[in-house]
Amino acid sequence: NAGVTQTPKFRVLKTGQSMTLLCAQDMNHEYMYWYRQDPGMGLRLIHYSVGEGTTAKGEVPDGYNVSRLKKQNFLLGLESAAPSQTSVYFCASSYLGQRNNEQFFGPGTRLTVL
Amino acid sequence: AQSVTQLGSHVSVSEGALVLLRCNYSSSVPPYLFWYVQYPNQGLQLLLKYTSAATLVKGINGFEAEFKKSETSFHLTKPSAHMSDAAEYFCAVSLTTDSWGKLQFGAGTQVVVTP
Repeated sequence: NAGVTQTPKFRVLKTGQSMTLLCAQDMNHEYMYWYRQDPGMGLRLIHYSVGEGTTAKGEVPDGYNVSRLKKQNFLLGLESAAPSQTSVYFCASSYLGQRNNEQFFGPGTRLTVL
Repeated sequence: AQSVTQLGSHVSVSEGALVLLRCNYSSSVPPYLFWYVQYPNQGLQLLLKYTSAATLVKGINGFEAEFKKSETSFHLTKPSAHMSDAAEYFCAVSLTTDSWGKLQFGAGTQVVVTP
């Protein structure tokens, strides 16, 4: 099993450009999450999904959109990138959204917006 | 509201010495707590978790953590540091306002191990 994979690993954008980050998991997990990691701030939740076709906002959703058309995939979109969105993005999944469930993380996407 | 505070953004330990990483939490209900580790250029992986079954929790790679309700703490320890323990460590608390499994992460502690 590959676990959680993310595409691409690195990307450089210019301000105003758009892009989509792809997260895929092969563990048949219901719940999926997108985080951003910035120095000194830990991980902050952007959006999450509790199942195919459903999404919800997290702590820092502004400037991002998501879609979960298939259970195994969770896409994160930036419609008009800004330098403040320079960050490392992590996708995670869990079997259920119970409080004691472990989240499994992908390797991350390093995004730079110039 | 739930929150996590990790004391010390950087910790330097000698190989073979005790590793102690501090985590204090704030929660209005009994918390579920996690420690994750992030090795360079990798995603996070679970070290251990507290889910109220036992206050002393043993995890992978020789790490353990003790839940102390009176001190609202969940400090991570390892008796003898190894060079491979160099990584960033995150404490997290499960949010209690819903059942969607959302986590609140601390800011992280970078561990450097010196020979």
